[in-house]
Amino acid sequence: DAGITQSPRHKVTETGTPVTLRCHQTENHRYMYWYRQDPGHGLRLIHYSYGVKDTDKGEVSDGYSVSRSKTEDFLLTLESATSSQTSVYFCAPAFPTNEKLFFGSGTQLSVL
Amino acid sequence: QKEVEQNSGPLSVPEGAIASLNCTYSDRGSQSFFWYRQYSGKSPELIMSIYSNGDKEDGRFTAQLNKASQYVSLLIRDSQPSDSATYLCAVSSQAGTALIFGKGTTLSVSS
Repeated sequence: DAGITQSPRHKVTETGTPVTLRCHQTENHRYMYWYRQDPGHGLRLIHYSYGVKDTDKGEVSDGYSVSRSKTEDFLLTLESATSSQTSVYFCAPAFPTNEKLFFGSGTQLSVL
Repeated sequence: QKEVEQNSGPLSVPEGAIASLNCTYSDRGSQSFFWYRQYSGKSPELIMSIYSNGDKEDGRFTAQLNKASQYVSLLIRDSQPSDSATYLCAVSSQAGTALIFGKGTTLSVSS
């Protein structure tokens, strides 16, 4: 798993509540990415980071925010969860370049 | 919007046959190309990368790239039931910020 831990692995929450997903990596990778995967849509980029406190938006960033205060942790927050955010969320550090991604085990999020 | 297109399948092949998976991309400036394998309920796993035109072989897998045609393919020789999975094609954006993924092709290998 290339030293990648996502937590929680599964979460069920209610519409309107904030949710934070955590990605922890132990190998000092600079680049980290959050993707969501949905049937019929494939993997879509939410946000990414190219260093501590350096983040940028991806294709489907609305309703999501991220923070990276330490190299090893990249947090994804759903500010007010909606049913359309029910998905599998993958964190992926990239090495040795910013292009070669290695995925964590994923978080299955259900918003009821 | 940059796109990566794959046939969704399912692609069904008998054990021992060659499976051919195809991918086209729209961003002519893309420089890096990857194939990921994803078993049901699991995370994507990188199996091949290719950066220059031609073929690249790794065991039973061969990746082929034709930048002029904006086409990438993956050949799996001597297909095994354990190869049954969804195969994702991923292409770097010209801006180099992140990978763009196709929706995947489901491969089924029957014994």
